Amino acid sequence: GQQVMQIPQYQHVQEGEDFTTYCNSSTTLSNIQWYKQRPGGHPVFLIQLVKSGEVKKQKRLTFQFGEAKKNSSLHITATQTTDVGTYFCAGRPPGSARQLTFGSGTQLTVLP
Amino acid sequence: DGGITQSPKYLFRKEGQNVTLSCEQNLNHDAMYWYRQDPGQGLRLIYYSQIVNDFQKGDIAEGYSVSREKKESFPLTVTSAQKNPTAFYLCASSIARDRGQRNQPQHFGDGTRLSIL
Repeated sequence: GQQVMQIPQYQHVQEGEDFTTYCNSSTTLSNIQWYKQRPGGHPVFLIQLVKSGEVKKQKRLTFQFGEAKKNSSLHITATQTTDVGTYFCAGRPPGSARQLTFGSGTQLTVLP
Repeated sequence: DGGITQSPKYLFRKEGQNVTLSCEQNLNHDAMYWYRQDPGQGLRLIYYSQIVNDFQKGDIAEGYSVSREKKESFPLTVTSAQKNPTAFYLCASSIARDRGQRNQPQHFGDGTRLSIL
């Protein structure tokens, strides 16, 4: 079964509002990656987090890795229409032959 | 420009037919991957290859087969044994074998959408 859960599945926000998606695992993850897939496109790598409690920022995007390395979040401040797409987390659970397990994604719609 | 090319973009399969999806990369990447994407389920790993002439089953390998005879190419065959093949198939590659706590970022192609006639 799926070991990396992601919520919410869908999120609609007004342009300028903030947005957060959460990724949760029942087991400790070696690392977590985040990808963005625009409508009709393919996933594009955004960032990787490895350390417990790590926080990284990319302009309006803030990525966090939990202290227990079981959860992660992506927060977008003041969303823009260019933020539209599906955001996936991907983590490497233990005993996974070093391969990533993707979350189900959060589809973000930004209303102008 | 370097990248990953998947073809065809759309593919239709008849009952009992095997079909092959092409994936070619000119990024000089060692590792290649095949994922299946269904609505609301994210990406699920079918097969992966860390080096030429070697590949491993992913989470949902049943009904699929692959080969890795060249570094640049990693074709996926959807066999008649795959009873529910309708999906969006994504090929990806990464620069090298994963080491330590990190996984290499994966670069994706534009995908092939497979449907049943």
